[in-house]
Amino acid sequence: AQSVSQHNHHVILSEAASLELGCNYSYGGTVNLFWYVQYPGQHLQLLLKYFSGDPLVKGIKGFEAEFIKSKFSFNLRKPSVQWSDTAEYFCAVNMRFGAGTRLTVKP
Amino acid sequence: GAGVSQSPRYKVTKRGQDVALRCDPISGHVSLYWYRQALGQGPEFLTYFNYEAQQDKSGLPNDRFSAERPEGSISTLTIQRTEQRDSAMYRCASSLRLAGINEQFFGPGTRLTVL
Repeated sequence: AQSVSQHNHHVILSEAASLELGCNYSYGGTVNLFWYVQYPGQHLQLLLKYFSGDPLVKGIKGFEAEFIKSKFSFNLRKPSVQWSDTAEYFCAVNMRFGAGTRLTVKP
Repeated sequence: GAGVSQSPRYKVTKRGQDVALRCDPISGHVSLYWYRQALGQGPEFLTYFNYEAQQDKSGLPNDRFSAERPEGSISTLTIQRTEQRDSAMYRCASSLRLAGINEQFFGPGTRLTVL
């Protein structure tokens, strides 16, 4: 069965801390990988995507993610978070989404 | 430019009534997707269209749910004989090219409450 797992339900960090959000998937075919973000009161919007090529992809607002095929993972990272990164983050594989991780950044 | 729009934004209905939720994708976008999102959960795939053709409806929970996109643009998700468990945010998204490999642009959603 196809599934997308996000390990952390709620992450709380202080500003300037480093962030890594886990995403693992179970999928039988070609995978196209996405991270979406939903800021409070706003629509889901794309942070970054991976289709092929360099497994380290960079997105908007200083986010990056690494595709590790052998681990079926696509973890999201940011070296130094800001208060404005407080949001919900969703990993998606093709059209299947994970349950999301709520990130709270304390000023 | 205009994004994906959905109407109504909020719908309150009584159990047993039928509801129709509308999605107007970004002009020229080929693919259109429907998701359901419960509070605290990620979007749950329901169905998608390439142009007017429904490609995958495996995510529709049961036969009370149906969707159409007759002219390859606007889509309607219909829920017949609504039940309380149908209460959720229903999200629509569209993408410029064929489904699965493209960024999806999401609409604001329709919050459905079944009393």
